[in-house]
Amino acid sequence: DAGITQSPRHKVTETGTPVTLRCHQTENHRYMYWYRQDPGHGLRLIHYSYGVKDTDKGEVSDGYSVSRSKTEDFLLTLESATSSQTSVYFCAISESLESPLHFGNGTRLTVT
Amino acid sequence: GENVEQHPSTLSVQEGDSAVIKCTYSDSASNYFPWYKQELGKRPQLIIDIRSNVGEKKDQRIAVTLNKTAKHFSLHITETQPEDSAVYFCAALIPGTYKYIFGTGTRLKVLA
Repeated sequence: DAGITQSPRHKVTETGTPVTLRCHQTENHRYMYWYRQDPGHGLRLIHYSYGVKDTDKGEVSDGYSVSRSKTEDFLLTLESATSSQTSVYFCAISESLESPLHFGNGTRLTVT
Repeated sequence: GENVEQHPSTLSVQEGDSAVIKCTYSDSASNYFPWYKQELGKRPQLIIDIRSNVGEKKDQRIAVTLNKTAKHFSLHITETQPEDSAVYFCAALIPGTYKYIFGTGTRLKVLA
C-alpha cells in the first residue's frame, strides 16, 4: 500500500471554527488531491496539487483552501467550518498523469 | 462541464452470476479510466484501469471495456462472490488537466 497518512482520523468541531486536515505521503509523488465523499455524490474533488506551491481548484472548492509547502505534505483548511462540510475527506496521491490514484484512509469530520 | 455518469446506483446479483456497471463521460478527449472498489468504512482501492488506446482489459474475473465513439466504459465482474460486495466507482482523467472526476458509485450486493 502507498504510504499515505491522514490526520486526524476523526474530528468533531463547531460551526465557525477553523479546521486543518493533513495528508502526509512517503512516496515522493508529485500529484496530491483532496476529495470529499458524501452519500449520493460519490467522490468530489476539492483541490489538488501538481507540485510544491502549485495548487488548483476542483469541483467543490468554495469554503476550502490548501497549501503544499513540501512534496510530502498537503494541507486542507476549512476557514470557518459549516454543517454542510460534514463529510469524509480523502487524500489521494498519484505518481504521474494517467497513473492510478492511491487513497489515504480518510478523515471523518463532523461539524455541529 | 466535465461529467461522469454511472449506472446503476445499486445492483444485486446471485453468487456466481455476472455483474455489469456502466459509465459514460462527457469529454471525448478523455483517455484514462480507472475503476475503484470501496468496502464499507475503507478507502477506495484501484481494481483495474484502461487507457484509450485499448478497447478491453482483463484481470482474472474482472474486465473493463471502452467504447470511445459512444463515450462509455463498463466494468464486468464474472462468477461473482460475496467478497465482491462493495461500492464501485468509475473515474475519468479530464484531458489537459490533472483532475480525476468520479461517478456517483454503484453498490453491488452479491447474494449467497
